[in-house]
Amino acid sequence: AQSVTQPDIHITVSEGASLELRCNYSYGATPYLFWYVQSPGQGLQLLLKYFSGDTLVQGIKGFEAEFKRSQSSFNLRKPSVHWSDAAEYFCAVGGDGNEKLTFGTGTRLTIIP
Amino acid sequence: EAGVAQSPRYKIIEKRQSVAFWCNPISGHATLYWYQQILGQGPKLLIQFQNNGVVDDSQLPKDRFSAERLKGVDSTLKIQPAKLEDSAVYLCASSLVTQAYNEQFFGPGTRLTVL
Repeated sequence: AQSVTQPDIHITVSEGASLELRCNYSYGATPYLFWYVQSPGQGLQLLLKYFSGDTLVQGIKGFEAEFKRSQSSFNLRKPSVHWSDAAEYFCAVGGDGNEKLTFGTGTRLTIIP
Repeated sequence: EAGVAQSPRYKIIEKRQSVAFWCNPISGHATLYWYQQILGQGPKLLIQFQNNGVVDDSQLPKDRFSAERLKGVDSTLKIQPAKLEDSAVYLCASSLVTQAYNEQFFGPGTRLTVL
């Protein structure tokens, strides 16, 4: 069965600092990988996705993620965070033709001045 | 383009009562999903529709949960009777077609509290 692990429940970073959120997945074939962001009281918004090709993918709001098959990881990065980035971030995995997404438990990001 | 609409946004009920949630997907989106998001967890798929047919309801507690999508547009999710552990945010999402690489667009959710 497919699964996603987000080891960090809560991360605090200073505004302007760099950010990396970790995501490890388990899937038997080539995974489809996603990062979503959820602001308080809002639905989930897609930040970026990986299906194939270049393992470094660019997303919205200055985010990027790198797919590393050997490590079963899909970590999310941003070089300089803004106060508006404070939110909950979810990593998700799906499979080829299998539209069902399995989400991780999320990482809450707090930004301090 | 209007997003996914859900109502109500909040609902408080007592255990053993019934409750219903409504979702209107983005116009033209054939696929509709209902997710349950318990506090501190990621969303879990309850049921997926392709037009008005069920694609996946393997994680839907069918003894108390039901869902329908009449005419392949809007959808309702019902819980009867509710239990304390049903307290969660219920998210509706839609996508153009049923394939993993089509983005799912999420509504704001309905926060259910069962007392």
